[in-house]
Amino acid sequence: AQKVTQAQTEISVVEKEDVTLDCVYETRDTTYYLFWYKQPPSGELVFLIRRNSFDEQNEISGRYSWNFQKSTSSFNFTITASQVVDSAVYFCAREGGADGLTFGKGTHLIIQP
Amino acid sequence: GAVVSQHPSRVICKSGTSVKIECRSLDFQATTMFWYRQFPKKSLMLMATSNEGSKATYEQGVEKDKFLINHASLTLSTLTVTSAHPEDSSFYICSASGGQAIGDTQYFGPGTRLTVL
Repeated sequence: AQKVTQAQTEISVVEKEDVTLDCVYETRDTTYYLFWYKQPPSGELVFLIRRNSFDEQNEISGRYSWNFQKSTSSFNFTITASQVVDSAVYFCAREGGADGLTFGKGTHLIIQP
Repeated sequence: GAVVSQHPSRVICKSGTSVKIECRSLDFQATTMFWYRQFPKKSLMLMATSNEGSKATYEQGVEKDKFLINHASLTLSTLTVTSAHPEDSSFYICSASGGQAIGDTQYFGPGTRLTVL
């Protein structure tokens, strides 16, 4: 399967700071989809965003924003003015070609009060 | 949004017994359901994909006879861990999708934590 790399294993910031979670993916496909999921301590994965490979427009949803750069095969996620409730493990994932949904190893985000 | 439930949320069983985990899509018809396994502080690993009314497709290395999957209706899939052993202890998560196309969003259940003594 084509890999998804989340190089940041753990990030710790103080509340109200902005934080960016990196995601780099491999792809040999023209058509593919990228996702971000949040996994709070309760364990349930919460869907955040889905992006197809033909749509490079960046997206903003409240304090969340995503930067999709096909040229660098990256799909980074930024949280602005972080809050303690943002503390969770965040997974980037890719689906396309013969590969099902393939997850990165996750980034554990800790927001300190 | 789409809601997926799992039952039970936690189960502790003795080695050698079988455990059934249910996954239900509550507010949409799930054409496809997926079963994942997650070890502590690790990523999710896909175990199998099931389409309603069809046999499940298992990922390489996953034992079909040990992890029985049934997708009997558009809202219910079950995973049965047969003759469970301590190494089967893990967090099992299901997801459901309303379509079969690549890229259809998967909505995840809350997970089931299995502990085999």
